[in-house]
Amino acid sequence: KAGVTQTPRYLIKTRGQQVTLSCSPISGHRSVSWYQQTPGQGLQFLFEYFSETQRNKGNFPGRFSGRQFSNSRSEMNVSTLELGDSALYLCASSLGAGVDGYTFGSGTRLTVV
Amino acid sequence: QKEVEQNSGPLSVPEGAIASLNCTYSDRVSQSFFWYRQYSGKSPELIMSIYSNGDKEDGRFTAQLNKASQYVSLLIRDSQPSDSATYLCAVKNSGNTPLVFGKGTRLSVIA
Repeated sequence: KAGVTQTPRYLIKTRGQQVTLSCSPISGHRSVSWYQQTPGQGLQFLFEYFSETQRNKGNFPGRFSGRQFSNSRSEMNVSTLELGDSALYLCASSLGAGVDGYTFGSGTRLTVV
Repeated sequence: QKEVEQNSGPLSVPEGAIASLNCTYSDRVSQSFFWYRQYSGKSPELIMSIYSNGDKEDGRFTAQLNKASQYVSLLIRDSQPSDSATYLCAVKNSGNTPLVFGKGTRLSVIA
């Protein structure tokens, strides 16, 4: 059974640019959550999608957005990149409400220069 | 603001000893509790889940939950150098709420 797949693995972008990250969940998982991980702040919740609907949203500016497609694949977009957006972006999938836990992908390492 | 607190460490234990990792949470209605292990440069990996008060054992790992004290812990018996990693505590309410993580405790097992 394939795991959670995130692409690309690494990205280098310039301030002011925008970026789109992709996440394919485990087959059958309908919930996809996104997290930002930095050394100082740990894992911070960005948003969660279930059946193409945003179910929860964390405390991030509107520059961060996401969506989910009918096949449960999800994308997140960050516009007008800032140096502080440099982080590891992790996607996690779960069957439904997540009570059985979440499985993480390998992450996308974003560096903004 | 729902919070999950962990001692950042590093927690250093000798090989073969018991490592004890602790976590407290602020939201009394939390229902599901998880421990993730994250090696440097890797993504978090789920190692234990616990939902009711008491102990849950899986191999060398034991998770302990005390909802009255809002406290969850992870014990690692016979610690090995390969257990050296950051351990993340995560908490979830019932229903459609996000999984909230602590900042993690870095464990170092010394051979």
